[in-house]
Amino acid sequence: AQSVTQPDIHITVSEGASLELRCNYSYGATPYLFWYVQSPGQGLQLLLKYFSGDTLVQGIKGFEAEFKRSQSSFNLRKPSVHWSDAAEYFCAVVERGSNYKLTFGKGTLLTVNP
Amino acid sequence: DAGVIQSPRHEVTEMGQEVTLRCKPISGHNSLFWYRQTMMRGLELLIYFNNNVPIDDSGMPEDRFSAKMPNASFSTLKIQPSEPRDSAVYFCASTEDTLDIQYFGAGTRLSVL
Repeated sequence: AQSVTQPDIHITVSEGASLELRCNYSYGATPYLFWYVQSPGQGLQLLLKYFSGDTLVQGIKGFEAEFKRSQSSFNLRKPSVHWSDAAEYFCAVVERGSNYKLTFGKGTLLTVNP
Repeated sequence: DAGVIQSPRHEVTEMGQEVTLRCKPISGHNSLFWYRQTMMRGLELLIYFNNNVPIDDSGMPEDRFSAKMPNASFSTLKIQPSEPRDSAVYFCASTEDTLDIQYFGAGTRLSVL
């Protein structure tokens, strides 16, 4: 079945440490890939997206993500986490041909320790 | 632009009552989406409008839910009658191009007692 999986429900890192949030998808063809962030009590904000081309994508707030076709993964990374990065992060996909229907993973809650 | 505006931010109602959630998309955006977020099911697309026309309502849970978009600047999601299992955060999002960034409102937290 087609799905988006974020294996880590909750991750805790120290401020200044590096971060990697995992996302795997299961689709016949590579979908369009997105990462969104949700701060407490807020809506979602797009961090970055991948449609084609360079597999390393730069986003806002110092985030980047790497598309790996062989692993069906689109992991989000940040070299040095700031306390303000504490939020919930969602990987999402749009199946090629659908053109609009975002399917979200269950999210990863990030806690940042001082 | 003020972004996507949703109202109310919080709604508490009793089972059986009618609930109406409102959304004002970003001016110039021609696509509008309603999502529901719960702990159990995560974020789910309920309905998608393009140029004020409902294109896909396959995510609407049941006949108690209905959505309208009478013009390009306003949409409503109505639940009648409401049930406790409808308690969730409902988000509206809009976009200029269906494959482009979806801009989300701050959501409406609905509690049905």
